Amino acid sequence: AAGVIQSPRHLIKEKRETATLKCYPIPRHDTVYWYQQGPGQDPQFLISFYEKMQSDKGSIPDRFSAQQFSDYHSELNMSSLELGDSALYFCASSYLRLAGGHNEQFFGPGTRLTVL
Amino acid sequence: ELKVEQNPLFLSMQEGKNYTIYCNYSTTSDRLYWYRQDPGKSLESLFVLLSNGAVKQEGRLMASLDTKARLSTLHITAAVHDLSATYFCAVDGTGYALNFGKGTSLLVTP
Repeated sequence: AAGVIQSPRHLIKEKRETATLKCYPIPRHDTVYWYQQGPGQDPQFLISFYEKMQSDKGSIPDRFSAQQFSDYHSELNMSSLELGDSALYFCASSYLRLAGGHNEQFFGPGTRLTVL
Repeated sequence: ELKVEQNPLFLSMQEGKNYTIYCNYSTTSDRLYWYRQDPGKSLESLFVLLSNGAVKQEGRLMASLDTKARLSTLHITAAVHDLSATYFCAVDGTGYALNFGKGTSLLVTP
């Protein structure tokens, strides 16, 4: 079965640089989520999109922005990178309109961002 | 503020033994999720619990949900090394984002 695809898998950047992370949700899923997971931490919700519209924001810094495109893929744009942005970034997708619905989210493999 | 608390946070157990991980949450949600994460890897969905009294089992793992007590348990039966991982419980937050517990790091030793 198709899974969530993320690229790149690894990214090394210098402080103050920018980074763009991409996510391709499972086909027919209508909701995309972005999470940040620091070392030894639980995943923290950043932002989500339902049917290409931003649906909720979590602890996303103002330096970060995201969007979802007409083909449902999503991109997380990160500017003025700081050392503390080094983390695993996960994209997840779900099918909220599923009858009898629940919100089981399927996670991608993650992008490991290292800021030097 | 929504809180999700797991305990224990670290668990070392011998192969063949049984143990239970607890997840307490502060919301009135009747849906709870369990995920497994191997080091540096993605989060794998284990169980989706959708109502009070729900019980699901997969292999040596069994999860249950008591919405009145706002408590879920993940029971491990006859642990094997392959179960070593970090286990997270999560509940729906605002906008259906998941709020995770801190995770339970499980190590199964011979």
